[in-house]
Amino acid sequence: QSVLTQPPSASGTPGQRVTISCSGSSSNIGSNHVYWYKQFPGMAPKLLMYRNTQRPSGVPDRFSGSKSGTSASLAISGLRSEDEADYYCAVWDDSLSGVVFGGGTKLTVL
Amino acid sequence: QVQLVQSGAEVKKPGASVKVSCKASGYTFTNYDLNWVRQATGQGLEWMGWMNPISGNTGYAQKFQGRVTMTRNTAISTAYMELSSLRSEDTAVYYCARRDCSGGSCYLGVDYWGQGTLVTVSS
Repeated sequence: QSVLTQPPSASGTPGQRVTISCSGSSSNIGSNHVYWYKQFPGMAPKLLMYRNTQRPSGVPDRFSGSKSGTSASLAISGLRSEDEADYYCAVWDDSLSGVVFGGGTKLTVL
Repeated sequence: QVQLVQSGAEVKKPGASVKVSCKASGYTFTNYDLNWVRQATGQGLEWMGWMNPISGNTGYAQKFQGRVTMTRNTAISTAYMELSSLRSEDTAVYYCARRDCSGGSCYLGVDYWGQGTLVTVSS
């Protein structure tokens, strides 16, 4: 049972817009920055979004992040086949004094 | 470019200890905390703790308190994570990951990750 709640799966067709949610509490999302990671099978996670809305260089602007209260979202527009991967949200939790991750969302491009 | 290169796969027996290394390059090792995260096969990511390379200060997830030790050798820009009293449930890929810092400020997240080290615990 993860501290952050993500849908286990999401899907869309090429060109569509997909949103992945991440729900937490006042001790984590409500008070700290949210990070998003993309992971292909057998590979290390890679930073996709940092400090809620910032994209690292090399990440296309089809990806966007948002945060409101105790929830955050990752939106992917113009869905492409290479977007098919697992996506994780992460944030520091003040009560636990540690980083907590969502359970991950497996994105399928139909 | 920033690189975190980890040591190779390990096979250990229950009750043994394992020590995984993480060699940093492409940045000043002492300027960034290092975190350790693990992932069991087919499962999600689990944070284990962090270490400050200058002071050696550490912070461990409660689950691993008493079993994990994070250390470093600044002369060779390498961090270590040792996990003791291994059990089958510790079979996982272990990652080191650098703390997100920019413009003199550090934030409570990680940016760069190592390639991972598979630790298998089996009798």
